[in-house]
Amino acid sequence: SAVISQKPSRDICQRGTSLTIQCQVDSQVTMMFWYRQQPGQSLTLIATANQGSEATYESGFVIDKFPISRPNLTFSTLTVSNMSPEDSSIYLCSVVTDGGVHTEAFFGQGTRLTVV
Amino acid sequence: GNSVTQMEGPVTLSEEAFLTINCTYTATGYPSLFWYVQYPGEGLQLLLKATKADDKGSNKGFEATYRKETTSFHLEKGSVQVSDSAVYFCALFRETSYDKVIFGPGTSLSVIP
Repeated sequence: SAVISQKPSRDICQRGTSLTIQCQVDSQVTMMFWYRQQPGQSLTLIATANQGSEATYESGFVIDKFPISRPNLTFSTLTVSNMSPEDSSIYLCSVVTDGGVHTEAFFGQGTRLTVV
Repeated sequence: GNSVTQMEGPVTLSEEAFLTINCTYTATGYPSLFWYVQYPGEGLQLLLKATKADDKGSNKGFEATYRKETTSFHLEKGSVQVSDSAVYFCALFRETSYDKVIFGPGTSLSVIP
């Protein structure tokens, strides 16, 4: 299993500013994932963060807008840059542990971001 | 590519009614399948999972069977409670060189007394 601590849990930010979200896992994991959940919507994968390499971004998401750091196997950050009201969402950190019958995705509690 | 489709909500049921939320998937090979639940104001929690064909996942009275032939993983519960009101997400994980969990759109369930 994995316990994920994510912070801040919520924030209200001014447009044009940036917010960095931190994700700490209680065990070493190869890949960490960042998702966005817009109000009333499902989870959309932003990027996969691998330790020691550049993050891999999904279609529609770019590094300039969502820079990611992954300095070690237990920690990652996601920055939401130059924010606009359209960035208001819940941002979630996730890891997938083990494999086969023990495969499971774990999630942080999320960061509820409101851009005004 | 891999994808998950699930029935559109919202679904409203009376307490003790039978629940079915349909989920079908598209994937190569043999993905692992999950149901996650999100209670109001809370994060995502794993409800149940199945990692190979014909496996049945179960938890808290919910069940889902991995049907390879119909590429389905329908969620069922024989008697829902008000406390089951939540959003339910079907998801798959395909262990490849580019692993990621793919979620369905979610189905909102409201159970009324």
